Amino acid sequence: TQLLEQSPQFLSIQEGENLTVYCNSSSVFSSLQWYRQEPGEGPVLLVTVVTGGEVKKLKRLTFQFGDARKDSSLHITAAQPGDTGLYLCAGALGYGQNFVFGPGTRLSVLP
Amino acid sequence: DAGITQSPRHKVTETGTPVTLRCHQTENHRYMYWYRQDPGHGLRLIHYSYGVKDTDKGEVSDGYSVSRSKTEDFLLTLESATSSQTSVYFCAISEMRGGYTFGSGTRLTVV
Repeated sequence: TQLLEQSPQFLSIQEGENLTVYCNSSSVFSSLQWYRQEPGEGPVLLVTVVTGGEVKKLKRLTFQFGDARKDSSLHITAAQPGDTGLYLCAGALGYGQNFVFGPGTRLSVLP
Repeated sequence: DAGITQSPRHKVTETGTPVTLRCHQTENHRYMYWYRQDPGHGLRLIHYSYGVKDTDKGEVSDGYSVSRSKTEDFLLTLESATSSQTSVYFCAISEMRGGYTFGSGTRLTVV
């Protein structure tokens, strides 16, 4: 059983469409991170959120941390083929240093 | 670039042989991690280190050992490789409560 669940597992959309992917848990996290991973490479950190209800924007990407710090969402506006990749969320339990990763959402943006 | 390299990038080995993967960093980060990534499971923590000679087990540590004799190097050893250890292995580094920087991974096949 995964501590972090991500949905959808796969998503294929056309360029220009909007999308939201979700990261959910029954556990409370002290902070949560989002990563993007491209084939043959390691994940790359996109953002860290630490406060319940926090919203962060990174160009066309909007990240939200749930009020109870158990869930998060990533919204992409006007998706581009360069957004294609595996999106991973990772949560820190307590105030430890180690993060637990979700299984990821694999996004494909078609031109 | 973040200054983290993994070697080798690819390896094929036979069941029952020992295998050592190397992670080298030039960032002088305190924390280093070894993860494995498998379809449907995401990234799972094998072992981590919080300083020279200070290591601890992660979620899937059975069959693996690690050593960190210098700040910059973190070695992962499969004591007697099995087919279930066929995977992509990622090393990561971080500072306290910071995001992870990942290496490009080692694809290991045990035949």
